Amino acid sequence: DTAVSQTPKYLVTQMGNDKSIKCEQNLGHDTMYWYKQDSKKFLKIMFSYNNKELIINETVPNRFSPKSPDKAHLNLHINSLELGDSAVYFCASSPYRDSQYQETQYFGPGTRLLVL
Amino acid sequence: KNQVEQSPQSLIILEGKNCTLQCNYTVSPFSNLRWYKQDTGRGPVSLTIMTFSENTKSNGRYTATLDADTKQSSLHITASQLSDSASYICVVSASGGSYIPTFGRGTSLIVHP
Repeated sequence: DTAVSQTPKYLVTQMGNDKSIKCEQNLGHDTMYWYKQDSKKFLKIMFSYNNKELIINETVPNRFSPKSPDKAHLNLHINSLELGDSAVYFCASSPYRDSQYQETQYFGPGTRLLVL
Repeated sequence: KNQVEQSPQSLIILEGKNCTLQCNYTVSPFSNLRWYKQDTGRGPVSLTIMTFSENTKSNGRYTATLDADTKQSSLHITASQLSDSASYICVVSASGGSYIPTFGRGTSLIVHP
């Protein structure tokens, strides 16, 4: 069974469209994250949710809106897509809030978004 | 500004050889340092996690060291295998507040037969 799954794996869309990426974890973890990896392979955290509560919101345009319907899901909705949004988006989860409890983060396989 | 610098940017070695990857950071106040392995087209996988009081941590053929005084870490890979070909990413988290991690750009390792 896949621990952290994301759908879709590939997403090709036109500039200006709205799209969503879904993430689900079956590990029973409390905390979930969204990361963006740019073309230079540089990973940057976007959001973190702990028990459906937003705890990290980095300097991300408000066109990006995370939604956590329950502890096992953290979806990412993107409005008015721009060329610069093209990247690989990774979802991750960990048992507790990161760092303080030194818990390992488990990453999903990534969603490759290409905006044309 | 919190930063994590990794070197070398890329490395090519022969199968069976050892290698060492470097990570320097300026993250403060320090909470923990992690090394991840990311295979091409996949998500990162955690190798080691170290806190301020830990100097070394091993995971099979991977051994990470931490010098909190000089703010340096290294990842040593022993008896490399073809499957070690991947990007190795150093991540340092600050304590207090939301524990936002700072990622290095990674070292791309290629192991040749």
